[in-house]
Amino acid sequence: GAVVSQHPSWVICKSGTSVKIECRSLDFQATTMFWYRQFPKQSLMLMATSNEGSKATYEQGVEKDKFLINHASLTLSTLTVTSAHPEDSSFYICRGRGTSGKETQYFGPGTRLLVL
Amino acid sequence: KQEVTQIPAALSVPEGENLVLNCSFTDSAIYNLQWFRQDPGKGLTSLLLIQSSQREQTSGRLNASLDKSSGRSTLYIAASQPGDSATYLCAVLGGSNYKLTFGKGTLLTVNP
Repeated sequence: GAVVSQHPSWVICKSGTSVKIECRSLDFQATTMFWYRQFPKQSLMLMATSNEGSKATYEQGVEKDKFLINHASLTLSTLTVTSAHPEDSSFYICRGRGTSGKETQYFGPGTRLLVL
Repeated sequence: KQEVTQIPAALSVPEGENLVLNCSFTDSAIYNLQWFRQDPGKGLTSLLLIQSSQREQTSGRLNASLDKSSGRSTLYIAASQPGDSATYLCAVLGGSNYKLTFGKGTLLTVNP
C-alpha cells in the first residue's frame, strides 16, 4: 500500500513557540491532504482539507491563523501550530488522497505534540 | 452532518472469547467504511475496508459486515487474544465530499 510519513513523530515545546509538522506521501501523489487531531481518549477530528496549490479549507471551530497549512507540492504538506499553548497538546495525523480513483485511506503515523 | 457512534465504549473479555463491536452512522450515503486499530500513543492500523457495494470483508480472525441501508457495521473478532487489546475505530467516507468521519472507538481489553 501507499506510504505516508510524518516528521517529527514526537515534539515537546515551550508555550508560545511555533511547531511545524511535515507530512509526505512517499510513493504516490497526494492531491489532497487531510489533517486530523486526536485528544486523549477521543476520536480523530478533521481539522482541515488542503488541495495541492490551493488554500486549505478549515473545519468549523479550527482557527486558520493558528494552524497554518501549506500544500505546495503533491508530496508534501505541512501543518504549523503557531504560538502553541498547552491546550494544543494533541496527536496530529495526516491523511493523503491520491489520484488513483480508489478511495483508500493512507494515514501518516502521527505526531505527538506536548506543549509545556 | 455525518455522525458515527460506536458501542460499547469499552469492553473487557477473557482470552478466547468471540466478540462483536458495533458501529452506526447517520448518513447512509457513504463511499466506504473502514475499521482501524489504534494502540496507545500510536497511529492507525487499517484492519478492514468495506466498499459501499459490499456486505462484508474478512481477514484472518476478523470479519466486518456492512448494512448501508440501516447505517450499521459490525466487527467480529474470533478467538480473541491478549494481543488484540487496543482501541478499535470505525470510520466512514462520505459519498459526496470524501470526508472521513470517525467514531470515538471501542477500547478492547482481552485478559489472559
